[in-house]
Amino acid sequence: DAKTTQPPSMDCAEGRAANLPCNHSTISGNEYVYWYRQIHSQGPQYIIHGLKNNETNEMASLIITEDRKSSTLILPHATLRDTAVYYCIVKSSNDYKLSFGAGTTVTVRA
Amino acid sequence: GAGVSQSPSNKVTEKGKDVELRCDPISGHTALYWYRQSLGQGLEFLIYFQGNSAPDKSGLPSDRFSAERTGGSVSTLTIQRTQQEDSAVYLCASSFSGLAGGYEQYFGPGTRLTVT
Repeated sequence: DAKTTQPPSMDCAEGRAANLPCNHSTISGNEYVYWYRQIHSQGPQYIIHGLKNNETNEMASLIITEDRKSSTLILPHATLRDTAVYYCIVKSSNDYKLSFGAGTTVTVRA
Repeated sequence: GAGVSQSPSNKVTEKGKDVELRCDPISGHTALYWYRQSLGQGLEFLIYFQGNSAPDKSGLPSDRFSAERTGGSVSTLTIQRTQQEDSAVYLCASSFSGLAGGYEQYFGPGTRLTVT
């Protein structure tokens, strides 16, 4: 059972905002939305997570719909170094085993 | 500050040999995880250490795999009698599990293991 659905790929122009959608229509009340990314040949990198409120940190913003069935990760000013596979994950706070689906391959173009 | 470090970054070994992979977690992180990632595949959970609790070894694929965490810090993953199907990138992560809202895991760069 796939808990999240993401588009397989997307392109983004350097310097523009990248908006990455994620559907999680079966999310439970105690499950958080996490985003990680993996740049080629590197380990995964934590980006951000949230429960129901929108969140922002130095890397990105996370917008979660009021019904929590979908979310959007926003990279405000994409750079070439943001080219990576981005993974949207839903899990409860006590579930420590991470697993990734196929994710979205984001290519930032100059 | 310093992130999670792993060594070696690459390891080539012959089938049947034993290998040891090392992980140095972020200082102050009480939880440590091992995963592996095969080419083009997703993340496979191997083992989880949390403080002094008994580790969750449920992801270890066979009894050839074992892991230790000494002094609540450095961890070593040992693979005995390596097989070609053990070839993968072995990733270590750590987290400060005391935070509310769950566990953000911070990953090391991985060890690429190739069994010939």
